[in-house]
Amino acid sequence: QVQLVQSGAEVKKPGSSVKVSCKASGGTFSSYTISWVRQAPGQGLEWMGRIIPILGIANYAQKFQGRVTITADKSTSTAYMELSSLRSEDTAVYYCARDRESGSFDFDYWGQGTLVTVSS
Amino acid sequence: QSALTQPASVSGSPGQSITISCTGTSSDVGGYNYVSWYQQHPGKAPKLMIYEVSNRPSGVSNRFSGSKSGNTASLTISGLQAEDEADYYCSSYTSSSYVFGTGTKVTVL
Repeated sequence: QVQLVQSGAEVKKPGSSVKVSCKASGGTFSSYTISWVRQAPGQGLEWMGRIIPILGIANYAQKFQGRVTITADKSTSTAYMELSSLRSEDTAVYYCARDRESGSFDFDYWGQGTLVTVSS
Repeated sequence: QSALTQPASVSGSPGQSITISCTGTSSDVGGYNYVSWYQQHPGKAPKLMIYEVSNRPSGVSNRFSGSKSGNTASLTISGLQAEDEADYYCSSYTSSSYVFGTGTKVTVL
């Protein structure tokens, strides 16, 4: 039974950074891709980037290039998403999601979401 | 990368069938058979309903089906039930990234 458990809600000041974690259990962590998807209040889903833990390679949506960093710690089966230079528009629920099977292009397992609120 | 276009809302009575469209470009929907659909109930994480255009994950009702023609993918829900009331999002792989649709609110009348 694959589970993704994310860290708790955060309140951040504009201009600061936030780092959200996503701990995986069940299944082989390194073999799957972990993506990060966010959802602003009342808005749709937005893909931010992904990492392949076994390769340690991440790629990002153009919109977030230079502002987001996705990493993974294979020893603890945990992925991280750090977003810097926060602004009010970054207030959203941030989800981690795992691909359905290694090499697939869809997300079958999701974390519970982490609310990040950016406010002065 | 622009979001894929979905109707804002679709409604139907119990037992009816509804179809949600998802329009992209030849760079995403039209270029890959990697379209997936997600159901999201309020306050919950999305749930995968369809992958690779028309495949259902284990445990998803066969009332859900997917298809694609050109740059437009579609999700059909047949025998609409009250529990199907939710937001639905399409997604497409596109050149090392992903794009989601604008989302469709399904209302069961």
